[in-house]
Amino acid sequence: DAGITQSPRYKITETGRQVTLMCHQTWSHSYMFWYRQDLGHGLRLIYYSAAADITDKGEVPDGYVVSRSKTENFPLTLESATRSQTSVYFCASSPYNEQFFGPGTRLTVL
Amino acid sequence: DQQVKQNSPSLSVQEGRISILNCDYTNSMFDYFLWYKKYPAEGPTFLISISSIKDKNEDGRFTVFLNKSAKHLSLHIVPSQPGDSAVYFCAASANNAGNNRKLIWGLGTSLAVNP
Repeated sequence: DAGITQSPRYKITETGRQVTLMCHQTWSHSYMFWYRQDLGHGLRLIYYSAAADITDKGEVPDGYVVSRSKTENFPLTLESATRSQTSVYFCASSPYNEQFFGPGTRLTVL
Repeated sequence: DQQVKQNSPSLSVQEGRISILNCDYTNSMFDYFLWYKKYPAEGPTFLISISSIKDKNEDGRFTVFLNKSAKHLSLHIVPSQPGDSAVYFCAASANNAGNNRKLIWGLGTSLAVNP
């Protein structure tokens, strides 16, 4: 399928476990982004990547790790999940100014 | 410190009427502005954008106006339709400042278009 996909769409995990959220885009956009959306905070940038093997921190990077070995994939890992990381996570890619979003992953940390 | 502010959390409009969503910004380095629409359980969808060299951009029923001196932009939807009911986000970027295409987001305005 063309576009940007995220998996899983829903995930429930326990405090302390490692979780990886996947993001895949078929456009070959150079830039990719990870956001979290929480009530009262809007969209907050976690990490972004300008190209394969180039990543940088966003507004709220603590507790998260990213990698980008291939242009099309940008996984986000929670190394040791905490309850405060319960959120909806969105991945986006961008050819220039506009960003195009995936459908989101709803993560619940118990 | 919110650099992009959407001061109205919600807006209700009758079908067929005009919807006006507002957005204010504080950073004078912003030179590109975007509006996104978001339905529940979906990702945000790009709607329309405007560069700071323009004061108006139109796409079908959607028009964005930019007032740089007031650091204010607005999205007009005419005529409003029930399918327009969604949360609308305003976003801005400062490309000339080399910001790596990061967008600064408002908190959103929930629009309800009533039949």
